[in-house]
Amino acid sequence: EAQVTQNPRYLITVTGKKLTVTCSQNMNHEYMSWYRQDPGLGLRQIYYSMNVEVTDKGDVPEGYKVSRKEKRNFPLILESPSPNQTSLYFCASKGASNQPQHFGDGTRLSIL
Amino acid sequence: GENVEQHPSTLSVQEGDSAVIKCTYSDSASNYFPWYKQELGKRPQLIIDIRSNVGEKKDQRIAVTLNKTAKHFSLHITETQPEDSAVYFCAASIRGWRDDKIIFGKGTRLHILP
Repeated sequence: EAQVTQNPRYLITVTGKKLTVTCSQNMNHEYMSWYRQDPGLGLRQIYYSMNVEVTDKGDVPEGYKVSRKEKRNFPLILESPSPNQTSLYFCASKGASNQPQHFGDGTRLSIL
Repeated sequence: GENVEQHPSTLSVQEGDSAVIKCTYSDSASNYFPWYKQELGKRPQLIIDIRSNVGEKKDQRIAVTLNKTAKHFSLHITETQPEDSAVYFCAASIRGWRDDKIIFGKGTRLHILP
């Protein structure tokens, strides 16, 4: 089954404790992206990657890092999480430009 | 940079009536416009999309129209049903020579009233 898998689905942690949210897709997609979703603000793009070893900033990259060492994986790293990064995070992938994205099921992060 | 405005933020319609959600975008280079539906607690899922070389696209009860001159696109849902209740997002995509950004509207919460 074609899917985008995120882990963990839920995480409660404390300020300053490094965390990583993993994302993996099995569709051989070149493009992968991370979004955060906050009430009233919609989906905002954090980072995206057009191919292996190529990453670019989206609209809200501050406080986040990503890497794309393999085509299928695109982890999101919070080196020193802060409470304003409490949010619902979605990973997505697509095969080519002007194609629809496939979203993962989301990761709800709470930073205390 | 690109900006996408979506209206209204909340919409209530009687079951069986039509619903229209409107979006405008700022960058004339945008060339792909998807619409996503997000049910409570679920991930966004594509319901329809349109490319800049097409003015209208229809899929059963759902249609999207695009006016490139006005930089405006709309989602139309006819004969609304209870299962249409959800949050709907429009988006605009720009593919440059080395980037591929996607900007989403802030969403419309659609309530279908019995």
